[in-house]
Amino acid sequence: DTAVSQTPKYLVTQMGNDKSIKCEQNLGHDTMYWYKQDSKKFLKIMFSYNNKELIINETVPNRFSPKSPDKAHLNLHINSLELGDSAVYFCASSQAQGVVGSYEQYFGPGTRLTVT
Amino acid sequence: QKEVEQNSGPLSVPEGAIASLNCTYSDRGSQSFFWYRQYSGKSPELIMFIYSNGDKEDGRFTAQLNKASQYVSLLIRDSQPSDSATYLCAVNIPGDSNYQLIWGAGTKLIIKP
Repeated sequence: DTAVSQTPKYLVTQMGNDKSIKCEQNLGHDTMYWYKQDSKKFLKIMFSYNNKELIINETVPNRFSPKSPDKAHLNLHINSLELGDSAVYFCASSQAQGVVGSYEQYFGPGTRLTVT
Repeated sequence: QKEVEQNSGPLSVPEGAIASLNCTYSDRGSQSFFWYRQYSGKSPELIMFIYSNGDKEDGRFTAQLNKASQYVSLLIRDSQPSDSATYLCAVNIPGDSNYQLIWGAGTKLIIKP
């Protein structure tokens, strides 16, 4: 029944470790996104894939690497975690580009990452 | 730089009154406008979207768009304590790809019983 799901919901790890977050959507959407929401609650786009093709690649450290095995899945791998990576990471999905602009995005429950 | 601005609040409104949330955007070419609600510790949830100038109503919610003045607002009638949340405004970036949205920092709304 879940539309956009993410695992894990909570992730606590130490500096220097490598971790992955997984996202899946069953809405039949072609486009998926990764957002970072920091302590000030500002949503910042990181990456977006349309039908497995990277279309948005904002200025984020190279330690962050997205991977989309198919259009229903978008994973985020983070190498050498740093304290500043602590945030909530949201996955979202939408239909492809619309004739009047963007379609609405639907969000997963988020992954709260804490780096100690 | 493309921007979406919202008053961070908190905006305090008595229960039963009308809550008015405002958002201004910088890019005149933007075509899609969205309002999301985010409860503390939860993910953003779509409330409404609007593409055309004027008003769009859905239950207790009304979105208003004025492209000439570059603002979009959200009215919540008969405010309930359950409406207390942060409301995020998002606007599309026009261009070759319309996938990307610019997000405001959100307005925290508090409905007082």
